Amino acid sequence: AQSVAQPEDQVNVAEGNPLTVKCTYSVSGNPYLFWYVQYPNRGLQFLLKYITGDNLVKGSYGFEAEFNKSQTSFHLKKPSALVSDSALYFCAVRDIAQKVTFGTGTKLQVIP
Amino acid sequence: EAGVAQSPRYKIIEKRQSVAFWCNPISGHATLYWYQQILGQGPKLLIQFQNNGVVDDSQLPKDRFSAERLKGVDSTLKIQPAKLEDSAVYLCASSLKGGGADTQYFGPGTRLTVL
Repeated sequence: AQSVAQPEDQVNVAEGNPLTVKCTYSVSGNPYLFWYVQYPNRGLQFLLKYITGDNLVKGSYGFEAEFNKSQTSFHLKKPSALVSDSALYFCAVRDIAQKVTFGTGTKLQVIP
Repeated sequence: EAGVAQSPRYKIIEKRQSVAFWCNPISGHATLYWYQQILGQGPKLLIQFQNNGVVDDSQLPKDRFSAERLKGVDSTLKIQPAKLEDSAVYLCASSLKGGGADTQYFGPGTRLTVL
């Protein structure tokens, strides 16, 4: 069975500093990997996805993620954090059978 | 382009009552998903429709939950009867084709409280 792990419930970072939100996955075959962000009382918003090709994927709002097949990871990164980036971030994996599994989420707190 | 619409946004019911949620996906999107998001957890897929056919309902508690997507557009999710543990946010999402690489677009959700 496929799974997604987001090992940190919360990540705190100072405004202007780089941020990383971690995600590891387990899936049969080649994965499709996604990052979503959720603001309070809102649905999930798509940030970026990895399908194939370049391991570094660029997405919305200056976010990027690096696919590492050997470590089965797909960490979300941003060079310089903004206070407005504070939100709940979800990693998701999808296999060839189209089953999608979400992680438990990581709360990002950017401190002014 | 209009996003995924859901109603109501909030619902409070007593246990053993019935409740229904409505979802209107993005125009032209063939695939529609219903998720349950319990506080502190990630969304859990309940059911996936491709047009008006069910692709995956393996995690839908079929003794109390039902869903339909008539005419391959709007969808309703029903709970009958509700239990306390059904308190959650119910998210609807849609995607263009439904393939593995397809991006899902989410609605704002319906927050259900069962008392």
